[in-house]
Amino acid sequence: AQSVTQLDSQVPVFEEAPVELRCNYSSSVSVYLFWYVQYPNQGLQLLLKYLSGSTLVKGINGFEAEFNKSQTSFHLRKPSVHISDTAEYFCASIQGAQKLVFGQGTRLTINP
Amino acid sequence: DVKVTQSSRYLVKRTGEKVFLECVQDMDHENMFWYRQDPGLGLRLIYFSYDVKMKEKGDIPEGYSVSREKKERFSLILESASTNQTSMYLCASSSGVGTSGTYEQYFGPGTRLTVT
Repeated sequence: AQSVTQLDSQVPVFEEAPVELRCNYSSSVSVYLFWYVQYPNQGLQLLLKYLSGSTLVKGINGFEAEFNKSQTSFHLRKPSVHISDTAEYFCASIQGAQKLVFGQGTRLTINP
Repeated sequence: DVKVTQSSRYLVKRTGEKVFLECVQDMDHENMFWYRQDPGLGLRLIYFSYDVKMKEKGDIPEGYSVSREKKERFSLILESASTNQTSMYLCASSSGVGTSGTYEQYFGPGTRLTVT
């Protein structure tokens, strides 16, 4: 079975600093990967996805992620964060016919 | 815009009660999902459905059942609520296999259920 591991449960950063949220996956088949964001008291919203093609994927709100097959990673990055980026971020991969397997989540806290 | 709505944002029930959580999507999606979200555990799949009247167990189906009588509606049922079912419940939908699907799931706002 596939699994997704988010290496940090919490990441505190200062406003305007860069951030990287780490995600590793395990899979022996074709990989489809996603990052979702959950703002306080809301459902999940898709940030970006990797299905095929370029390994550098750009998403909404200035986020990007890089698919690295050799390291089985899909880390999320943003060069300069804003207070409004405070949220919980989930990495996920497709398992079987369109079921998502989620990581444990990373809580991003932005300090002024 | 895809819209997934859930019947309640907050719900408080007593132990032993039968609880219904309703989810409706307006994009004619084939697939619908129910997840449970707990701190440190991420989202765990309870049940999913690929079509009307079809359902399959996810990773943690014990204590839950589902119903899908219409394509747009997917209900989660707690037959006899227990305190360990206190959690955030999220519904999602996606377009079906065989479409040039993006595999993206669209989520509702969640229902925070407290069982006392």
